[in-house]
Amino acid sequence: KQEVTQIPAALSVPEGENLVLNCSFTDSAIYNLQWFRQDPGKGLTSLLLIQSSQREQTSGRLNASLDKSSGRSTLYIAASQPGDSATYLCAVKGYGGATNKLIFGTGTLLAVQP
Amino acid sequence: GAGVSQSPRYKVAKRGQDVALRCDPISGHVSLFWYQQALGQGPEFLTYFQNEAQLDKSGLPSDRFFAERPEGSVSTLKIQRTQQEDSAVYLCASSLSRGASGDEQYFGPGTRLTVT
Repeated sequence: KQEVTQIPAALSVPEGENLVLNCSFTDSAIYNLQWFRQDPGKGLTSLLLIQSSQREQTSGRLNASLDKSSGRSTLYIAASQPGDSATYLCAVKGYGGATNKLIFGTGTLLAVQP
Repeated sequence: GAGVSQSPRYKVAKRGQDVALRCDPISGHVSLFWYQQALGQGPEFLTYFQNEAQLDKSGLPSDRFFAERPEGSVSTLKIQRTQQEDSAVYLCASSLSRGASGDEQYFGPGTRLTVT
């Protein structure tokens, strides 16, 4: 059974710092991995999608890497801003059946202090 | 529409009441997913539709939960005889192709259900 773990559970950094969020998964047979952002009381906003054949994806100040063999992904945020404060969730889409549902981690709550 | 929409955004129900939650996926999206997110947790899969066919309902926690998508677009998640443990945010997502693909899932804003 696929399990997704995110470390740390919470992180507080001063504005301008670069930071790394970690995601690990137990079954390397995945279709892809997605990083999401969730603001309080809101739905999920997709940040980056990495297909299983890819090693990394970049969007603006965000860079996500994927090491499928070791079951790890990292989300790197450069020059953090207070507006980056949110919960960051990673999710893997596995093989098997017709569904390929997303399996989520419990998230990392990020606070960027001005 | 521009994105996935859900209604109502907030619902308060007394224990034992039935509720119905609506999801409007992105137009033309084949796949539709329902997830349940408890406070402080990541979303957990409930059920999946490919067009009007419910292909996976393995995540539904009990037979009080029922979902439908009769015309392959709008979906309704119904919870009968609500219990306090049903309190959560219910998220709907859609993707362009069938489930067994690398397509990105797009999420709605969710419905926050509180059972008192």
